[in-house]
Amino acid sequence: SQQGEEDPQALSIQEGENATMNCSYKTSINNLQWYRQNSGRGLVHLILIRSNEREKHSGRLRVTLDTSKKSSSLLITASRAADTASYFCATDWEAAGNKLTFGGGTRVLVKP
Amino acid sequence: ETGVTQTPRHLVMGMTNKKSLKCEQHLGHNAMYWYKQSAKKPLELMFVYSLEERVENNSVPSRFSPECPNSSHLFLHLHTLQPEDSALYLCASSQFAGDTQYFGPGTRLTVL
Repeated sequence: SQQGEEDPQALSIQEGENATMNCSYKTSINNLQWYRQNSGRGLVHLILIRSNEREKHSGRLRVTLDTSKKSSSLLITASRAADTASYFCATDWEAAGNKLTFGGGTRVLVKP
Repeated sequence: ETGVTQTPRHLVMGMTNKKSLKCEQHLGHNAMYWYKQSAKKPLELMFVYSLEERVENNSVPSRFSPECPNSSHLFLHLHTLQPEDSALYLCASSQFAGDTQYFGPGTRLTVL
């Protein structure tokens, strides 16, 4: 399966600390995206990184992509209680054509 | 607000009922998606429509029947569902299939 696998499944940190989560996938991709989901709500797109990019920033978010290792990481710096959510990676893989494949997600709890 | 709306937000139905979920996007996108999200399971892609044609049917039981009358609207018709179909049903849209997706808030479905 091409499905992305996030690691860890759950993460608990104190406000102000950094949170890092990883995503691994199996086949060549066009791009990799990170989404956030608050409990029981829809997903919100955070950032997209293309296969020819190695790092992208958006505010307190930093995403890296290592295509040789087929992995990506999402770093949230100076976390806030409002960052508490589930975070998903999604891959647009070359053979898929029409869809993103989502991983199982990392549940992040930021304690005030 | 992501520009994608879903109604109803909550639905409780018996196994013999027929109901429909509605999704509307105001973003001018060409692709629309239905996903199922169950507790402790990855997001499951159900259907993909691109330019009003169904391009993906992910082995979904026939008790789920999608309809895309135009590029702004997507329906999911439900009949004779099972309790295990209880889940959060998410609609999403994107400019093109495989592109960044914008999600609605979801419909929480409970089948009794």
